[in-house]
Amino acid sequence: SQTIHQWPATLVQPVGSPLSLECTVEGTSNPNLYWYRQAAGRGLQLLFYSVGIGQISSEVPQNLSASRPQDRQFILSSKKLLLSDSGFYLCAWSEDGEQYFGPGTRLTVT
Amino acid sequence: GDSVTQMEGPVTLSEEAFLTINCTYTATGYPSLFWYVQYPGEGLQLLLKATKADDKGSNKGFEATYRKETTSFHLEKGSVQVSDSAVYFCALRVSGGSYIPTFGRGTSLIVHP
Repeated sequence: SQTIHQWPATLVQPVGSPLSLECTVEGTSNPNLYWYRQAAGRGLQLLFYSVGIGQISSEVPQNLSASRPQDRQFILSSKKLLLSDSGFYLCAWSEDGEQYFGPGTRLTVT
Repeated sequence: GDSVTQMEGPVTLSEEAFLTINCTYTATGYPSLFWYVQYPGEGLQLLLKATKADDKGSNKGFEATYRKETTSFHLEKGSVQVSDSAVYFCALRVSGGSYIPTFGRGTSLIVHP
């Protein structure tokens, strides 16, 4: 069966520091992969999606970037975090229109 | 473009009450419709889905019927439990369309004992 992992689970970082969040999927090949963010009390905001290795589409221009170095690995990065980057980050993969979400990373920028 | 509109929350109910969370949509093509649930501190989980008009999706006592004539996919449960307290998201994806699903803003459900 397919599983999706995210780490770390929680992260507290100072403003201006770098960020790297990792997502890996097991049990499927060539998945479509997504990064979402949820601000407190808000809905889902799609940040990036990828249909293959090295193929990244950005939905929201900001100081975040994404990379897909391997088929089942999706990384979210930032060179300098802002206070507004705080939130709950969710990775997901999709099949037949259904989305399967990871457990999320709670990021607090201080 | 595609859009999903959900009723504003929070919805507050007593245990064993009947639940309805409204969801309506607009889509440029023929969508599949989904309900996802997010428990506190967790990622979203697929709750149920329907892929064509008049289909009824069901899971864990929840049901939703794909109504093409009213472009709706309302979520219902006959008797809610405290453990159903969560945020519920309605979503759609158009077949053959982009890889990006469209989500509603989510509706928070709080069930009191």
